[in-house]
This record gives sequence, C-alpha cells and structure tokens, in this order.
Amino acid sequence: TQLLEQSPQFLSIQEGENLTVYCNSSSVFSSLQWYRQEPGEGPVLLVTVVTGGEVKKLKRLTFQFGDARKDSSLHITAAQPGDTGLYLCAGRIVGGSNYKLTFGKGTLLTVNP
Amino acid sequence: GAGVSQSPSNKVTEKGKDVELRCDPISGHTALYWYRQSLGQGLEFLIYFQGNSAPDKSGLPSDRFSAERTGGSVSTLTIQRTQQEDSAVYLCASSLASGSLNEQFFGPGTRLTVL
Repeated sequence: TQLLEQSPQFLSIQEGENLTVYCNSSSVFSSLQWYRQEPGEGPVLLVTVVTGGEVKKLKRLTFQFGDARKDSSLHITAAQPGDTGLYLCAGRIVGGSNYKLTFGKGTLLTVNP
Repeated sequence: GAGVSQSPSNKVTEKGKDVELRCDPISGHTALYWYRQSLGQGLEFLIYFQGNSAPDKSGLPSDRFSAERTGGSVSTLTIQRTQQEDSAVYLCASSLASGSLNEQFFGPGTRLTVL
C-alpha cells in the first residue's frame, strides 16, 4: 500500500499552460515537502508545509497543505520548459519518526516549448 | 561544491557479486540516510545514521544489505550476492541533525544494474 498517492503519474503540457499535481493520503502528516528531481540528480527540496491549510508561493509555484494535513497540491502557473522534471511529495507521519520521510511515486512533468 | 557526493555514479555487476556504494555527506552533517529509487517507484527508505550509529535499519530489504558509517562522515552501503531485483538508483542524503525541520540534501545517486 502506497501511503502517499500522487496524481497524475505523467503530465505533458505546452509552455504557458497551468497545471496542478496532487498528493493524497489517508494518514495525517506533521509536515509535507515537495521536491523536484532532474535526470541523473538527487531530489531538491522546493518547500516544506507544516500547518493545515497553509499556502506557500515560490515564484510561479503555489503549494497548499490540506486542512486535515492528509493531502497537498502543487500548482504551476505559466509552465516553462525549465519546470520539466519529476515532482515528489514526501511527508512525516504523525506519531512516526521525526527523521523518516515517506515519499510518493512522483509526477513526471514535461513542458514542451 | 560542498554537496553530498556518491560513488560510483554507475555500477554494472553480475548476479551473485558483492557491491559497495559510497556516500560522502556534507561536512558537519550528523544525520545520514540511504534510499532506493526503483523504476516507477518513489524513494524507499533503507537506513538512517545519527553519527556512526544506525538506530533505524528497518528499511533494509534483506540481510544481504548492510551499511556502516565511520568517523561520523563517509558511509558505505554493501549489497552481497546481488540479485536482479536490486537494480535501482541508490540515493544518499544528509542533514545537519535529524529533527523534522532539518532539510535533507541528496546526492546524485548510484545507478546499480545487476545483469
């Protein structure tokens, strides 16, 4: 059973389009993170959200943590080819270890020029 | 740069052989983690080190997998008698400490292929 379900698994869009990817769970998380991973590299942290309902913005990226802290979304406005990559959500389960991150399988985003 | 480094970047081996994967964490980072990323899968936690001790080995898939860390720095992940299902990218990460707000910095990974 995958604790964190990400959707869609694959997304191919044209430059300038908007998109949203989702990360859902039946478990409650004390914190949730989004990473971007490019081929041949390790994941790079984009954001950490810790409060239910929290919204964070990073330039054209908007991250939201669900009120119940079971889900999160990443919205990209006016996508650019440089946004291409694997987007991973990861979180720490309430009551679990404070060091252990549970990862989703990722959303592979391709932005075509 | 002063990021996490891993070696080798690629390793091709024959089924049944032993392999050693190395991770050099960021200097001063006390926590070190190993993950496995298989095709179409997310990152799977393998083991966590705090200093030289490994309080959590729960993610190691079998007793063929072992890891050590020496001098609070370099870590080695060893896979004995490799199997084809061990083929994956093995990622190492380090963080300043192990608390939940400590960012994990990842290395580029070692791509292991078992023929």
